[in-house]
Amino acid sequence: QQQVKQSPQSLIVQKGGISIINCAYENTAFDYFPWYQQFPGKGPALLIAIRPDVSEKKEGRFTISFNKSAKQFSLHIMDSQPGDSATYFCAASKYGGATNKLIFGTGTLLAVQP
Amino acid sequence: DSGVTQTPKHLITATGQRVTLRCSPRSGDLSVYWYQQSLDQGLQFLIQYYNGEERAKGNILERFSAQQFPDLHSELNLSSLELGDSALYFCASSVGGGSLTEAFFGQGTRLTVV
Repeated sequence: QQQVKQSPQSLIVQKGGISIINCAYENTAFDYFPWYQQFPGKGPALLIAIRPDVSEKKEGRFTISFNKSAKQFSLHIMDSQPGDSATYFCAASKYGGATNKLIFGTGTLLAVQP
Repeated sequence: DSGVTQTPKHLITATGQRVTLRCSPRSGDLSVYWYQQSLDQGLQFLIQYYNGEERAKGNILERFSAQQFPDLHSELNLSSLELGDSALYFCASSVGGGSLTEAFFGQGTRLTVV
């Protein structure tokens, strides 16, 4: 019940295309879903996050879509750029809880070809 | 630069040995988290400390222990090392202990057990 399943494992997208990464969770107690971006040699950095009271959140070229009934959420990167090439992790936690421990997906390695 | 400092960046040691990883959180952050990142397990939460006290525990082996000192830096001790302990170990910090504050990750310590 603590798992977050992420797909695909890797993704190759042409410059200007749309990158889509999907995640699914099991534990209905989760109510905070952040996405992290990790470049080689760096630690993960928060990219965008969503709570279940909204179905979509957009920040620049990055959009999270959330389907509460299906327990799924996805990251869309519009107009993908070579600089977006990185590993992306979805995560889940209990919002407002006593801890911010994150349950991470297994990651998606995105390569944007020029 | 996230402001979280981890030392050393790289560590090579033999099986059966003991090592200590160090983390200095961002100025003002009271909470420290430790995560293990391996190729087969992804990012796994190990343990969280808040203002010197253990706040949450994840899949941390009994051979591993951590503490947070009065100056808020933290150390992760790994003993009786096995080949399977080879991984990237990340420290993260946040102002608060709950999920209402963002956690910032350091650049990690790459541990290789030979």
